[in-house]
Amino acid sequence: EVQLVESGGGLVKPGGSLRLSCVASEFRFSSYSMNWVRQAPGKGLEWVSSISANSNYINYADSVKGRFTITRDNAQNSLHLQMNSLRAEDTAMYYCVRDRYYGNSGHDHWGQGTLVTVSS
Amino acid sequence: QSVMTQPPSVSGAPGQRVTVSCTGGSSNLGAGYDVHWYQQLPGSAPKLLIYGTNNRPSGVPDRFSGSKSGTSASLAITGLQAEDEADYYCQSYDSSLSGYVFGTGTGVTV
Repeated sequence: EVQLVESGGGLVKPGGSLRLSCVASEFRFSSYSMNWVRQAPGKGLEWVSSISANSNYINYADSVKGRFTITRDNAQNSLHLQMNSLRAEDTAMYYCVRDRYYGNSGHDHWGQGTLVTVSS
Repeated sequence: QSVMTQPPSVSGAPGQRVTVSCTGGSSNLGAGYDVHWYQQLPGSAPKLLIYGTNNRPSGVPDRFSGSKSGTSASLAITGLQAEDEADYYCQSYDSSLSGYVFGTGTGVTV
């Protein structure tokens, strides 16, 4: 069974940094595009960033562009999100999400999420 | 704010049919990009319910179906059951944003 396990969330002050990680198992990680999707408390889903299987294509939502960096390590089956200059509005549950196939094909597997709280 | 709009809530009695609409624009649904639907049960991560407008992943009951026309899409749930009470989100790609977009979400009450 495909597993995606996030870690690295926590409480951080505005302006601070945090690095989220996601470890994947039970599938060929190096063959799939991956994403981070977040959900603020009581709010809807917001796509944050995507990275292609070989890291050649990377996209960010305008709300995080210039502050967040997505990377992956196919040898370690891991996905990361470096978050800098954090703001209160970045407070959310962050999900590690696999694309079903290349491109806009749907996100077929989601982790359970890691909670990021930005507050002084 | 999302570029794809859904009604905040819909409700129906057990056994009834309900539909959830998703209204996009010329840079997402109207541009021909596929629409997908997710179900989020209370306290859980979202789950892919429908992909590519009207395809169900293995294990999803055929009570769930999707459709798309122009800049809009719909999710239909027939034979509504108590376990269907959840939030539902549409999702597509937006060429003007160069990224994925989710709908605003709809809470279904049984």
